This record gives sequence, C-alpha cells and structure tokens, in this order.
Amino acid sequence: QQPVQSPQAVILREGEDAVINCSSSKALYSVHWYRQKHGEAPVFLMILLKGGEQKGHDKISASFNEKKQQSSLYLTASQLSYSGTYFCGTETFNKFYFGSGTKLNVKP
Amino acid sequence: EAQVTQNPRYLITVTGKKLTVTCSQNMNHEYMSWYRQDPGLGLRQIYYSMNVEVTDKGDVPEGYKVSRKEKRNFPLILESPSPNQTSLYFCASSLGSRDTQYFGPGTRLTVL
Repeated sequence: QQPVQSPQAVILREGEDAVINCSSSKALYSVHWYRQKHGEAPVFLMILLKGGEQKGHDKISASFNEKKQQSSLYLTASQLSYSGTYFCGTETFNKFYFGSGTKLNVKP
Repeated sequence: EAQVTQNPRYLITVTGKKLTVTCSQNMNHEYMSWYRQDPGLGLRQIYYSMNVEVTDKGDVPEGYKVSRKEKRNFPLILESPSPNQTSLYFCASSLGSRDTQYFGPGTRLTVL
C-alpha cells in the first residue's frame, strides 16, 4: 500500500531543476506532498485531490495523473532552502501511507 | 498559536518498562495519527483516530496502544517496550483523513 518514490536521492547545484515521482499499485484518490528537514517534523507542501490537477507555489509544483496512479513534484531553479527529504503520501480507507522519501541535497 | 505538542521529546528506557508518549492539538481536529520513522522506511502509521472514542490500527500497530478520550489528546502507550521499537515517533492531526496533516515535533525513543 506504501507509495513508491523515485529517485531515492538527488544532488543538485543551486538553480538546477529536479523531479520527484510517486506511484502506487493501488488507486490514488489524493496525493499529499511534505518536506522534512533534518531533525525536524514534516511540513505540508500541497495536496492534489483530482486527477489532472496541478498545483504550485513559489517554484515548487506538482501534478497528479489519476489514471496512471502517479504524481510528480517539480522543483524549479532550486535554492539551498529546498534541501531535505520529500515524502508523498496517500489516504486509503482512512489509513495514511507515506512513501519512503527522496533525499534532496542542493549545493552552492 | 495552532500547534501539535508531544512529550517527552527524548526518552531512553529499558525493555519491558511501560511508557506513554502524550500528544495534544489545539486546532479542534478530528483526525489524529501516530507515525514511526525509521531510516529508509519513511513514515509508517501506527494508529489513527477519526474522532473521540474511535481508533483503528494503521500499518504497524503491533506492540502499541492508543486512546482518544478527549478530542485534543491522543496518547501512545507502549505497555512492554522492546528494542525494535527504538524509533522517532510523530503525532499528527488534521481535519479529516484526506486533509493537511500538522505534525508534532517528534519523540526520539531508545529502548535498551
């Protein structure tokens, strides 16, 4: 039931772009994205509730392809502050499942 | 300030000694969860609660108990902790199961 994330880790230089993918073998009714910095709690980024939905703020956006049961998180012109571990998550019958995470390291 | 609080933040204990980790939220949220986080495994849901007196097992409930006697509080109980329960624990709350989750600061538990 746990979504699968890829890649597991990414190293970027400031200003470069990244894509993090999240897929599920089960139907996805919604996809959440969170970011966790080292030693801190996860922080909400965005929720996508409908197939085809795209959302974004600042230079971070996401898309949700309900038919393919996958979502992607796009980080554009990455900044040092984007470093951390990104998790996708989904709810099924009131239980919540997170992916195993993608560690993003943005270097100067 | 809207927040989720957890106590204690750090705990070292020994095998078999019962312990409780408290969780409280001030946002009037109905849905609350406990997660454990282990390297490479992400966050796994232990138990969740849809509302007062309504609790259910998550993905990894073995060895844990919870209760929800009041809307704001959702304590996690380890009746007989074992070393494989050494982990980082997070409490979270949200309006519903599909809504934004707000996490507590985490409790790092070590069971010797």
